Amino acid sequence: AQTVTQSQPEMSVQEAETVTLSCTYDTSESDYYLFWYKQPPSRQMILVIRQEAYKQQNATENRFSVNFQKAAKSFSLKISDSQLGDAAMYFCAYRSKQGGSEKLVFGKGTKLTVNP
Amino acid sequence: NAGVTQTPKFRVLKTGQSMTLLCAQDMNHEYMYWYRQDPGMGLRLIHYSVGEGTTAKGEVPDGYNVSRLKKQNFLLGLESAAPSQTSVYFCASSSWGDYGYTFGSGTRLTVV
Repeated sequence: AQTVTQSQPEMSVQEAETVTLSCTYDTSESDYYLFWYKQPPSRQMILVIRQEAYKQQNATENRFSVNFQKAAKSFSLKISDSQLGDAAMYFCAYRSKQGGSEKLVFGKGTKLTVNP
Repeated sequence: NAGVTQTPKFRVLKTGQSMTLLCAQDMNHEYMYWYRQDPGMGLRLIHYSVGEGTTAKGEVPDGYNVSRLKKQNFLLGLESAAPSQTSVYFCASSSWGDYGYTFGSGTRLTVV
């Protein structure tokens, strides 16, 4: 079974600075999806960024980018020019591409605080 | 665009009571899921469904039952609530080959 590990329960960053959240995963599959979700205090789960394992290019969405290291099974999220609105829980998640295994497996999350 | 709608949003139950959480999606998604979120535990899968009339157990299924009689609805039932089931419950849906899930806004359940 796949597992996802987020080793940083909490992180903090100064406004306008850059922060990197770590995520590692374990799988025997060669192709899969990886995601970062944001959960602000409103509780809503918001998709931040996604990556398909067969794509070597790292995904980027505005101020959010990932460092995908397939061999190391690492999928870190970098937030540039941090804003107060970035404060939230961030969850890394894995999804198999195998039929019948459409489940998302989540890490335990990292709580990000943005200091003004 | 309603997306995924969960009802109710909040509920307080007494130990031993039963209740049903309703999830409805209007995107014609094949797959639907129920997760629970507890502090420090992330989201854990309770049950899921890959199509109308089908259900399967996830990581933490004990104490819960589900039904998917219609493609757009996925019900989560607690037959005899226990304090350990105090949690935030999320429903989600997706399509085959879709990148990610669409989540509901969650239900905060407290069992006293």
